[in-house]
Amino acid sequence: KQEVTQIPAALSVPEGENLVLNCSFTDSAIYNLQWFRQDPGKGLTSLLLIQSSQREQTSGRLNASLDKSSGRSTLYIAASQPGDSATYLCAVRPHNAGNMLTFGGGTRLMVKP
Amino acid sequence: ETGVTQTPRHLVMGMTNKKSLKCEQHLGHNAMYWYKQSAKKPLELMFVYSLEERVENNSVPSRFSPECPNSSHLFLHLHTLQPEDSALYLCASSQDGLPNPPDTQYFGPGTRLTVL
Repeated sequence: KQEVTQIPAALSVPEGENLVLNCSFTDSAIYNLQWFRQDPGKGLTSLLLIQSSQREQTSGRLNASLDKSSGRSTLYIAASQPGDSATYLCAVRPHNAGNMLTFGGGTRLMVKP
Repeated sequence: ETGVTQTPRHLVMGMTNKKSLKCEQHLGHNAMYWYKQSAKKPLELMFVYSLEERVENNSVPSRFSPECPNSSHLFLHLHTLQPEDSALYLCASSQDGLPNPPDTQYFGPGTRLTVL
């Protein structure tokens, strides 16, 4: 059974700092991996999707990497801003299992002005 | 309306009540999902309707009953719930089907359910 773990569970940083969020998964047979953002009391917004054949994806100040063989992904946020404060979730889609995502527990990020 | 909408946004019900959660997607997608998000637990997939086929998580109790009358609407019927069923229930949709790669899932804002 696929298990997804995110470390740390919570993170507080001053504005302007670069930071890295970590995601690990136990079964490397994945189709893709996604990073989502969730604001309090709201749904999820997809940030980046990395196919299993890719090593990284970039969108603005966000960069996500994937090392499938070691079961790891990182989300790098450059020059953090208070508006980046949210919970960040990673999710993997296994091969041959439909679009059934397995989520990690999330990292709750607070960026202080 | 755009994207994925859910109603109601908040619901309080007793253990003997029967209620339904509604989800509607305005994206032309062919797959819809129900997720449960409890405090301090990872987001958990409950049900999937993809290409008119239903796939479910076998650990979901029978007091939760999904209904998908068409590709744009999804319901979750609730009856005789327990206090531990209190959670945020999220709906999502995506465009699935070979040979194209699966699209990302688009989520609604969720229904915050409290069972007394």
